[in-house]
Amino acid sequence: GQSLEQPSEVTAVEGAIVQINCTYQTSGFYGLSWYQQHDGGAPTFLSYNALDGLEETGRFSSFLSRSDSYGYLLLQELQMKDSASYFCAVRPPNTGFQKLVFGTGTRLLVSP
Amino acid sequence: NAGVTQTPKFQVLKTGQSMTLQCAQDMNHNSMYWYRQDPGMGLRLIYYSASEGTTDKGEVPNGYNVSRLNKREFSLRLESAAPSQTSVYFCASSTRPGTGGDQPQHFGDGTRLSIL
Repeated sequence: GQSLEQPSEVTAVEGAIVQINCTYQTSGFYGLSWYQQHDGGAPTFLSYNALDGLEETGRFSSFLSRSDSYGYLLLQELQMKDSASYFCAVRPPNTGFQKLVFGTGTRLLVSP
Repeated sequence: NAGVTQTPKFQVLKTGQSMTLQCAQDMNHNSMYWYRQDPGMGLRLIYYSASEGTTDKGEVPNGYNVSRLNKREFSLRLESAAPSQTSVYFCASSTRPGTGGDQPQHFGDGTRLSIL
């Protein structure tokens, strides 16, 4: 089966750096994705790690380590608008990689 | 640029009623998906359609049926609504995923469904 675990909530202040972890018990998948969802809104794609290592996109970076079954999303120079829920997701191989399985989500609260 | 459009945005049903949630995308995507999201939880896949003419079950298909009407449209039907189906329903679409990379899913704004 597939299981992706994330902390339920993380708090930080404006301007700070925060790391949201994702640990998984899924083997054979290709890559790790991250999605952002504001309250009442739709999930939107943030990043994808096809290979181990760090991918940087502006203030956001994402990291994957297959050997450690671990990934994280790093948000720098936090802004109030970053307050949202963040989900990691993988495509397991048992459906031809068609399905996207989401983690439980981490709610990020950014305070002034 | 509409992207993924879901209708209706809100709906209240009584137990036992039926209804169909509509989804349409204008991005020429092959793959379409239906998810439900319950408070404080992640997205759970109900059904998906890898291409026009095919549908497959996801994690929580019981109580639902789907129709891939054409490449653009993918509908979700509740035949006999139950209170346990109260949730926010999201439709998504993507280019057909390959084995080597990922194709981001584009989500609609959701349908907030309450069943009394």
